[in-house]
Amino acid sequence: KNQVEQSPQSLIILEGKNCTLQCNYTVSPFSNLRWYKQDTGRGPVSLTIMTFSENTKSNGRYTATLDADTKQSSLHITASQLSDSASYICVVPVSGGSYIPTFGRGTSLIVHP
Amino acid sequence: GAGVSQSPSNKVTEKGKDVELRCDPISGHTALYWYRQSLGQGLEFLIYFQGNSAPDKSGLPSDRFSAERTGGSVSTLTIQRTQQEDSAVYLCASSMGMQAYEQYFGPGTRLTVT
Repeated sequence: KNQVEQSPQSLIILEGKNCTLQCNYTVSPFSNLRWYKQDTGRGPVSLTIMTFSENTKSNGRYTATLDADTKQSSLHITASQLSDSASYICVVPVSGGSYIPTFGRGTSLIVHP
Repeated sequence: GAGVSQSPSNKVTEKGKDVELRCDPISGHTALYWYRQSLGQGLEFLIYFQGNSAPDKSGLPSDRFSAERTGGSVSTLTIQRTQQEDSAVYLCASSMGMQAYEQYFGPGTRLTVT
């Protein structure tokens, strides 16, 4: 069964600190992995899309890594800001003729001043 | 605006009533998706449309749910005889294509069935 597991479920950090969110997947065949940020009451916004051949990709203070061998990805947030408080969702679509994404339940991040 | 829009933003309905949720995708995007997000749960795929191909309806939870996309643009998700378990946020997303193309989400419609 295709699954995406995220950890931790929730995280509280102080402003300015770094943090790392984890995503493990069993989706096969693999095409790409996406990280989204969802602010409360809004739709998700894409942070990164990583394909099979990519190990690291950065978007400002966000850096995503992918290990396709162990089927793990991480999202590292550097020098956190209050605006980083949101839910971070890992998504892995099934490749092939039919595109159906499998979503993780997300990590809820709260950044305190 | 140039983003995905959805209407209404909030909908409260009585159990047993039918509801229609609307999605206006980004102009030129050939792929359109509907998702459901229940409280404390991850996003759940419902249906997607890709160009003129037959939609993939494999995520629809029951035959009370249906969706159509007219003219390759606007889409409507219809829920008939609503039940309390249908209460959730319904999100629409569009993209230029499938696979590695970025999906752009709308703000969602919060449906409450009383």
